[in-house]
Amino acid sequence: AQTVTQSQPEMSVQEAETVTLSCTYDTSESDYYLFWYKQPPSRQMILVIRQEAYKQQNATENRFSVNFQKAAKSFSLKISDSQLGDAAMYFCAYSKETSGSRLTFGEGTQLTVNP
Amino acid sequence: NAGVTQTPKFRILKIGQSMTLQCTQDMNHNYMYWYRQDPGMGLKLIYYSVGAGITDKGEVPNGYNVSRSTTEDFPLRLELAAPSQTSVYFCASSYITYNEQFFGPGTRLTVL
Repeated sequence: AQTVTQSQPEMSVQEAETVTLSCTYDTSESDYYLFWYKQPPSRQMILVIRQEAYKQQNATENRFSVNFQKAAKSFSLKISDSQLGDAAMYFCAYSKETSGSRLTFGEGTQLTVNP
Repeated sequence: NAGVTQTPKFRILKIGQSMTLQCTQDMNHNYMYWYRQDPGMGLKLIYYSVGAGITDKGEVPNGYNVSRSTTEDFPLRLELAAPSQTSVYFCASSYITYNEQFFGPGTRLTVL
């Protein structure tokens, strides 16, 4: 079974600084998808960024980028120019390509942004 | 579009009671999912559906049942509620497999 591990239960960053959240996963598949979801105090799950395993280029979305290392099964999220609104729980998630897109989530990293 | 809607937002049940959590999406998505999120944890898949009339178990299906009679609706039934089912329940949907899942706002359920 696939597993997703987030080894940092909590992280903090100063406003305007950069922070990196770590995620590792275990799979025997060659084609799959990785996601970072954000969950603010409102509880709403919001997609931050998505990476296809067959793409070598790292995904970017404005201030958010990933470092995808397929051989190492590592998928970290970098947040640049951190803003107060980035404070949230961040979840890394994995999906096989052919499984009806069932997501397997990590346990989350609580990010605090200090003014 | 309203996206994915869930009712109720909050509910308190007594041990042994039953209830149905409602989920509706208006995006014509084939795929729908139910997750639970225990405090401080990630989401775990309870059941999912790849289309009307087709459902399958996820990682933690015990104590729950689902049905999918229409594309839009995917209710989750709790029979004989237990304290271990105290959690936040999220419904989600997606257009195709491995694409972005859109989540509802969640239902906070407490079983006492």
